[in-house]
Amino acid sequence: SQQGEEDPQALSIQEGENATMNCSYKTSINNLQWYRQNSGRGLVHLILIRSNEREKHSGRLRVTLDTSKKSSSLLITASRAADTASYFCAGGSNYQLIWGAGTKLIIKP
Amino acid sequence: NAGVTQTPKFRVLKTGQSMTLLCAQDMNHEYMYWYRQDPGMGLRLIHYSVGEGTTAKGEVPDGYNVSRLKKQNFLLGLESAAPSQTSVYFCASSYVGGHYNEQFFGPGTRLTVL
Repeated sequence: SQQGEEDPQALSIQEGENATMNCSYKTSINNLQWYRQNSGRGLVHLILIRSNEREKHSGRLRVTLDTSKKSSSLLITASRAADTASYFCAGGSNYQLIWGAGTKLIIKP
Repeated sequence: NAGVTQTPKFRVLKTGQSMTLLCAQDMNHEYMYWYRQDPGMGLRLIHYSVGEGTTAKGEVPDGYNVSRLKKQNFLLGLESAAPSQTSVYFCASSYVGGHYNEQFFGPGTRLTVL
């Protein structure tokens, strides 16, 4: 059973625009992580937000976490063609990460 | 550092054949994981290990076995492959439990079972 669910499943925007992806999860977590996967490649860690944090920034990335709503969002500002990828959220608990199905992001030049 | 490497990158098996996927990491990580990724789905944990000589079942362990004889290596075995095991397999490692720290991923093994 998957804990995380991303919304939307696919997103296509113009280069330079901001991209927002949402993630909802079902059970208690210690942290919420976001990963990027380029086509045919492995996953790369982007950012981790702990359960006692509400917002975190890293470069062009901004992540929020609302534990009362069991939801998180990932904002990518000033998108670039290189941001085209699938983005996954993963909730951390009990030595495991439980993954969502991902959002496929396409940045149009 | 090579990070996490996986061998082989691609493999085609016939139903009933067996094979072993090798994962190696050079980051001295304690925790290692095997996932499978199917189209339209997120990663699903097959087995994991919290240290040399230890293994544990994940979400979808049936049909797979694992061994962690050395800290840097984590092997995934398919004793009798089935078409339902056609998937992309990813190995990952982390310094401590993945629920606290990031996981580092290998490039994946694309397995097709005919």
